[in-house]
Amino acid sequence: DTGVSQDPRHKITKRGQNVTFRCDPISEHNRLYWYRQTLGQGPEFLTYFQNEAQLEKSRLLSDRFSAERPKGSFSTLEIQRTEQGDSAMYLCASSLGYRASYEQYFGPGTRLTVT
Amino acid sequence: KNEVEQSPQNLTAQEGEFITINCSYSVGISALHWLQQHPGGGIVSLFMLSSGKKKHGRLIATINIQEKHSSLHITASHPRDSAVYICAVAYNNNDMRFGAGTRLTVKP
Repeated sequence: DTGVSQDPRHKITKRGQNVTFRCDPISEHNRLYWYRQTLGQGPEFLTYFQNEAQLEKSRLLSDRFSAERPKGSFSTLEIQRTEQGDSAMYLCASSLGYRASYEQYFGPGTRLTVT
Repeated sequence: KNEVEQSPQNLTAQEGEFITINCSYSVGISALHWLQQHPGGGIVSLFMLSSGKKKHGRLIATINIQEKHSSLHITASHPRDSAVYICAVAYNNNDMRFGAGTRLTVKP
């Protein structure tokens, strides 16, 4: 257990539905990352927050995706109008520091299946 | 072409063997991470390197900045080392790029 939790662990949804995932980072960590991982591949960067500010978004993050980190604590990732191509593991990580070179602590992930 | 290339993609070893996993990247980085991912998805950070060499137990990680290459070594491998090992590079713009991973199976 790294101290980063994600909820739910598994989500099965029908195409076109909206889903929301939650990440609770280690409490004193100011940086929070979201990644997506498909089968057999390494994680892909989606977005990151420095405290409550969303500082960077990957071009992978289409208009159907939105992420928030109110008050710089937990974060949510919402996918609207899900598509089958959204099926993946969504990983959250947090770190104490202001650069990507700091050690990141990963949550267990939320596995999304879109039918 | 992935900016981060790992080799081999799959590796099977007998318990006790010395294992090496390689990672090459294409542009300058601020740091390189080695991660371990077990079945079920959980990822654990093993090392963060910006130069030289680090050792933790049976694991050793090295990086050659000039050659843009890093290696992860496991000495006296054990079946519990079976996992996917992922190399990730961090750029100064805070972006991270991950390799596709090396799936290691250590047989008793």
